[in-house]
Amino acid sequence: QQQVKQSPQSLIVQKGGIPIINCAYENTAFDYFPWYQQFPGKGPALLIAIRPDVSEKKEGRFTISFNKSAKQFSLHIMDSQPGDSATYFCAGSETSGSRLTFGEGTQLTVNP
Amino acid sequence: DGGITQSPKYLFRKEGQNVTLSCEQNLNHDAMYWYRQDPGQGLRLIYYSQIVNDFQKGDIAEGYSVSREKKESFPLTVTSAQKNPTAFYLCASSSLRQGNQPQHFGDGTRLSIL
Repeated sequence: QQQVKQSPQSLIVQKGGIPIINCAYENTAFDYFPWYQQFPGKGPALLIAIRPDVSEKKEGRFTISFNKSAKQFSLHIMDSQPGDSATYFCAGSETSGSRLTFGEGTQLTVNP
Repeated sequence: DGGITQSPKYLFRKEGQNVTLSCEQNLNHDAMYWYRQDPGQGLRLIYYSQIVNDFQKGDIAEGYSVSREKKESFPLTVTSAQKNPTAFYLCASSSLRQGNQPQHFGDGTRLSIL
């Protein structure tokens, strides 16, 4: 099983800070990279996704940066808020199938 | 509202017992998935199905079984052969239209051992 490695495992920032979560993948056939946000006791919800033909995608305060040559991508959260405190998962999949391979998750805490 | 409903929210299993987790979707999605979530290990795929009456093993299928008799339903049975069943189980669905389609998740079932 091709892996997606995610770091850090946990992250604490102050309100207004810019947490950055990093992921690296192995499977060069991956061409879809979503990020999911999960609150305690709930299922993950799609936050933002990117394809490797672009190097950056921004939706509101959330930005994905993508480096195809390094096989790495990252999530940046601008002006973070306590309500952003959640677990974040990166993932990758191939166009030809619908299976997602998930990273291990990052537990983010934004202190007031 | 369209969505995925998982039941029950909490489930307890006795030694040697099989238990079945329910997953129903009204999103008209073709594909459905079962994941197991353990702390620090992300989501691991148990089984998935892209069409009625057909399903494939994921990465950790041993000790689990599924059925897909209807498009809307994809129940997961945790058998007595699964020796470490305590986990948070998540069901998801997605469209198989052209292009990458996001997976939508239910709110999970937490299974514990009595």
